[in-house]
Amino acid sequence: GAGVSQSPSNKVTEKGKDVELRCDPISGHTALYWYRQSLGQGLEFLIYFQGNSAPDKSGLPSDRFSAERTGGSVSTLTIQRTQQEDSAVYLCASSRPGFGAFFGQGTRLTVV
Amino acid sequence: GEDVEQSLFLSVREGDSSVINCTYTDSSSTYLYWYKQEPGAGLQLLTYIFSNMDMKQDQRLTVLLNKKDKHLSLRIADTQTGDSAIYFCAAQTGANNLFFGTGTRLTVIP
Repeated sequence: GAGVSQSPSNKVTEKGKDVELRCDPISGHTALYWYRQSLGQGLEFLIYFQGNSAPDKSGLPSDRFSAERTGGSVSTLTIQRTQQEDSAVYLCASSRPGFGAFFGQGTRLTVV
Repeated sequence: GEDVEQSLFLSVREGDSSVINCTYTDSSSTYLYWYKQEPGAGLQLLTYIFSNMDMKQDQRLTVLLNKKDKHLSLRIADTQTGDSAIYFCAAQTGANNLFFGTGTRLTVIP
């Protein structure tokens, strides 16, 4: 596709359930980023993939969060045993070096 | 990681110029970006500048880079109500991670 695609656009889940968020980056982009944005807040870095290098997981807030990127393309962010404080918009972006990151529209996660 | 800082709020009158400032800490930052986020929307890449430049102009937008002070600014000429949004500064070194500031909420007063 022409842009970064994220699915689902909205997800409501019960506390304690696991969720998977998907990101389809722009074709050919070697870098992929996950951020989250709580209401009225800035961007919180979660994880960064670059080519075949080991991902930078330094932003993951707890071991309930994990992400993978298969075949250097699609990425899935998994949150296990969701908590109410996980409610936020999860943003994915992809880039080629020096061209800036292009963002998807995000997945709005609500934990009830 | 790198620290990128911005002031949180800016208010300007319609028709005036807006200047949004950003500082970063990594002197080896190669690329510096400005993003715009409108209410309820994702982040839109507005403009960018390479570290070997000190100015870039694109229509109403002017980016100034002071590498010595590690200071970046975005000037919006003839600010319109449609410019009301949150503006994020971001810095990147080579193919490494992209670090964002906290965002500056620009309010344009009619």
